[in-house]
Amino acid sequence: KNQVEQSPQSLIILEGKNCTLQCNYTVSPFSNLRWYKQDTGRGPVSLTIMTFSENTKSNGRYTATLDADTKQSSLHITASQLSDSASYICVVSDRGSTLGRLYFGRGTQLTVWP
Amino acid sequence: EADIYQTPRYLVIGTGKKITLECSQTMGHDKMYWYQQDPGMELHLIHYSYGVNSTEKGDLSSESTVSRIRTEHFPLTLESARPSHTSQYLCASSESVRQGAYEQYFGPGTRLTVT
Repeated sequence: KNQVEQSPQSLIILEGKNCTLQCNYTVSPFSNLRWYKQDTGRGPVSLTIMTFSENTKSNGRYTATLDADTKQSSLHITASQLSDSASYICVVSDRGSTLGRLYFGRGTQLTVWP
Repeated sequence: EADIYQTPRYLVIGTGKKITLECSQTMGHDKMYWYQQDPGMELHLIHYSYGVNSTEKGDLSSESTVSRIRTEHFPLTLESARPSHTSQYLCASSESVRQGAYEQYFGPGTRLTVT
């Protein structure tokens, strides 16, 4: 069964600190992995997309890594800001259909305190 | 910021009412999607469309229906709303860059409450 598991479920950090969110997946055949940021009451916004051949990608203070062999990904946030408080969702796409079906994790709820 | 819009943003209605959730995008994308999301849970695909006059059901069974008469417009309709339909509904669109690696843009969502 294709699944995406994220940990931790929730995380509280102080402003300025770094943190790392984890994602494990069983989706096969693998096409790509994305990280989205979803603010409360809003739609998800894409942070990074990584294909099989990419093992790291950065977007400002966000750095995503991918280990396709172990089927694990992480999202590292550097020098956190209050605006980073949101749910971070790991999404994996398969290449078994023309739709490129997306499998969503439940997200990690990050809270940044001043 | 993506040019994809949803109205209304919030809706509270009584059981049995017919409702239509609007979604429109100005990016000319062929593919459009409707997702349902409950608090703390993952998004579930309920409908998608490859283009005009194309609609398909997603992974999660839904009593809603959709139509795609114009490229930019993908409305979702509930003929008779029930409390079990209370949820957040997210619309998205995408174009195919290469197989699978397409950017999917989400609207702000409609929070539906059925009393």
